[in-house]
Amino acid sequence: QVHLVESGGGVVQPGRSLRLSCAASGFTFSSFALHWVRQAPGKGLEWVAVISSDGSNEYYADSVKGRFTISRDNSKNTLFLQTNSLRAEDTAIYYCARVYSSGWSYAFDTWGQGTTVTVSS
Amino acid sequence: DTQMTQSPSSLSASVGDRVTITCRASQDIRNYLAWYQQKPGKVPKLLIYTASTLQSGVPSRFSGSGSGTDFTLTISSLQPEDVATYYCQKYNSAPFTFGPGTKVDFK
Repeated sequence: QVHLVESGGGVVQPGRSLRLSCAASGFTFSSFALHWVRQAPGKGLEWVAVISSDGSNEYYADSVKGRFTISRDNSKNTLFLQTNSLRAEDTAIYYCARVYSSGWSYAFDTWGQGTTVTVSS
Repeated sequence: DTQMTQSPSSLSASVGDRVTITCRASQDIRNYLAWYQQKPGKVPKLLIYTASTLQSGVPSRFSGSGSGTDFTLTISSLQPEDVATYYCQKYNSAPFTFGPGTKVDFK
């Protein structure tokens, strides 16, 4: 069974950093592009970043570009999101998501349960 | 970047009603359009991809149509378990933008 489990969220002061992780199981991790999506309290879904299956390509939403870095370790079936210079508006549930086929342009068929990041002084 | 809009932002309907949600892209995205359902306090769930393909396990009362810039999600007969927020998303290229969502509840 395909499974994604996020971790690493918490309460952090503005300007600080957090590293989020997403552990995958039940599929060939190195064959799929992966995404981070976030949802601020009471708000809609916001796409954050994507990384290709081999880690050679990545893309970011303008709202996080230059502050967040997506990466993956295919030997450990784990996706990461390094979040730096955190702001109050980064407060959200962060989900990792897998696309439904090999490649870049596919919908997200599997989502983790999310990890909550709260940026507050 | 391509912007995604949805209408209405919310709607109230009765059990058995036919419900239609519209999604519009500011540029042609061909059929690279997905619909997700998010129930309160739950994780988003993929309903439809490539604009009209039903994800495995999704009830047949859900259907999608459209291509290019205009898309529709239809629930043919609304059921109590369909109370949720529905999001469209473009995925032809980055950024993989979501629409603002349509909240569906009962009258």
